[in-house]
Amino acid sequence: GEDVEQSLFLSVREGDSSVINCTYTDSSSTYLYWYKQEPGAGLQLLTYIFSNMDMKQDQRLTVLLNKKDKHLSLRIADTQTGDSAIYFCAESIRGYNKLIFGAGTRLAVHP
Amino acid sequence: DTGVSQDPRHKITKRGQNVTFRCDPISEHNRLYWYRQTLGQGPEFLTYFQNEAQLEKSRLLSDRFSAERPKGSFSTLEIQRTEQGDSAMYLCASSTAGGHYNEQFFGPGTRLTVL
Repeated sequence: GEDVEQSLFLSVREGDSSVINCTYTDSSSTYLYWYKQEPGAGLQLLTYIFSNMDMKQDQRLTVLLNKKDKHLSLRIADTQTGDSAIYFCAESIRGYNKLIFGAGTRLAVHP
Repeated sequence: DTGVSQDPRHKITKRGQNVTFRCDPISEHNRLYWYRQTLGQGPEFLTYFQNEAQLEKSRLLSDRFSAERPKGSFSTLEIQRTEQGDSAMYLCASSTAGGHYNEQFFGPGTRLTVL
């Protein structure tokens, strides 16, 4: 079945690292994505990882994929107030074009 | 601005009325998607077009919903006889075709409120 789950809320201090976690159920997932949503703005793709990779790093972002446990995480280094937003984990499944999203994790960054 | 645009940004209607939303994708993108997002949830897939052909529809897309993309460019989503449960943000996205990876670019959404 198709299901993506995330914790709903994360609060971090400015300058610390943030780790947002996601679990998915479909082993046919081909790509896994992290999207960011800010108030009044559209969803913005932050990064993605192909299912045969374990890790991907892009500047302050590190994505880790544990395919055995169907667990995906996004680490944001040196978190800034501008990183405050809702972060969505999403998967695409082989043969389908739609994205399946989690409910989103609200990241709050405080001084 | 060459991103995905949606119109209107906000729509308030009374229950039972019909509404229509428009999406203009990025010009060279031949795939277009509609999603619905309710408060506190992630976007849920509704339907997808490749050029003018509607290739997939979710079971969420009841008979009251119809989507078109007549010339393979802009798309419309119509909801007939709106219900309060239709209140949501309706998101449009577009992408290029081909390969497994196709980044979907999202528009700002149309927020529908049904009174």
